[in-house]
Amino acid sequence: AQKVTQAQTEISVVEKEDVTLDCVYETRDTTYYLFWYKQPPSGELVFLIRRNSFDEQNEISGRYSWNFQKSTSSFNFTITASQVVDSAVYFCALSNFGNEKLTFGTGTRLTIIP
Amino acid sequence: EAGVAQSPRYKIIEKRQSVAFWCNPISGHATLYWYQQILGQGPKLLIQFQNNGVVDDSQLPKDRFSAERLKGVDSTLKIQPAKLEDSAVYLCASSLGTGAGEKLFFGSGTQLSVL
Repeated sequence: AQKVTQAQTEISVVEKEDVTLDCVYETRDTTYYLFWYKQPPSGELVFLIRRNSFDEQNEISGRYSWNFQKSTSSFNFTITASQVVDSAVYFCALSNFGNEKLTFGTGTRLTIIP
Repeated sequence: EAGVAQSPRYKIIEKRQSVAFWCNPISGHATLYWYQQILGQGPKLLIQFQNNGVVDDSQLPKDRFSAERLKGVDSTLKIQPAKLEDSAVYLCASSLGTGAGEKLFFGSGTQLSVL
C-alpha cells in the first residue's frame, strides 16, 4: 500500500517570508515517482515538479526548491520570498510502477498575508 | 494550447436525481482520468481511460457511477441516483501517455452539491 502524509493542514505567513511544506510518503516499491501540485482558488491542479526515486538531487526553480530525502521518506517543498500569488492548496502525490495510480496527500492550504 | 475543458462548473441537485459531467481533454492526450475531491481531502481516482478503453475503475462505485469515453476523446461521467455523500468536486485530467511518471493536466472541475 502507498500513503502520502501532509501533516500541515493550514499555514499562514507574511509576504516575503520563506515557507516549507512537508510531505512524508510510504511505499514498498523501490521505483516510484513523487509530485507536487498546486491548486489555486480557480480549482484546477497545476503540476509543479516530478522526481523519481533514483534521483535524490535537490532542485531549485526560481523561488521554489524541493528537498528529496529517501532516508526519511520525505519530499519537502520550500517557497522563498513568498508572494500573495502563492496562496493555494498544495498537494504532494506518489505513484509507483506496481500501482501507477496517483495517491494524493490531504493537502496544505497556504495563505500569504500581504 | 487549450487546457482540459469541463462543464458544468457548478451543479446542485437533490438526492436520488441524476447528473452528468462532461470533459474534453487536451488534444492528442491518450489518457483521461476522472477524480473525486471531497472537501478537505486530496483527489481520489475514480476511473482511468487509455484511448477509449478502461485502464482502472477499481474505485468507481459501479452501482451508481458510470463513465464513457467515446471515440477516445471526450468523456462523460454520470451519477444515477445521487447520494448526499457524492457532494464533491469532480476533476477531469489528461496526460499524453499512461504510466507512473505521467504529468497530469487538470480541468477546473465541476462542483456538485447534493441536497
